Amino acid sequence: AAGVIQSPRHLIKEKRETATLKCYPIPRHDTVYWYQQGPGQDPQFLISFYEKMQSDKGSIPDRFSAQQFSDYHSELNMSSLELGDSALYFCASSSRDSPNYGYTFGSGTRLTVV
Amino acid sequence: SQQGEEDPQALSIQEGENATMNCSYKTSINNLQWYRQNSGRGLVHLILIRSNEREKHSGRLRVTLDTSKKSSSLLITASRAADTASYFCATVTKGLTGGGNKLTFGTGTQLKVEL
Repeated sequence: AAGVIQSPRHLIKEKRETATLKCYPIPRHDTVYWYQQGPGQDPQFLISFYEKMQSDKGSIPDRFSAQQFSDYHSELNMSSLELGDSALYFCASSSRDSPNYGYTFGSGTRLTVV
Repeated sequence: SQQGEEDPQALSIQEGENATMNCSYKTSINNLQWYRQNSGRGLVHLILIRSNEREKHSGRLRVTLDTSKKSSSLLITASRAADTASYFCATVTKGLTGGGNKLTFGTGTQLKVEL
């Protein structure tokens, strides 16, 4: 069965550079979520999209932006990168039609800012 | 502060023993879910319990939910070395538009099962 696909798996950037993370949700899932997980920390909600519209916003810095495209894939754009942005970034998708409100997570993108 | 706070933060047991992890939360929820994460890897959904349910089983997993105390517990019976991982509870609250129900994670319990 298809899962949530994230790319790239690993990314190394220098301070002040820009990074773009991509997420391809499970087909027919209508909601995409982005989470950030620092070393030894719990996942922190960043932002979500429902049917290509922003649904909810968490602790996402102003330097970050995200969007969901017509094919339902989503991109997280991160500018003016800081050392503290080094983390695992997870994307998850879900569907309101899922009987158990199931959330499926991708394997994550590990971003290292040097 | 986190919606879900797990207790204990770290747990070390012997293979074959049972492991119990607790989670407390603060706001009203639609449901509560437990996830597992191996070091540096993705989050794997284990089990979901709805706000109107009190107990749920799945294989060696047993989850309880007490909405009056805003708490949940995850019991793993007959633990195995392969159960070594971090376990997170996560609560679902409604998104602003009502369409996307975001997950809010607790701080997690690191479980180590030794041979």
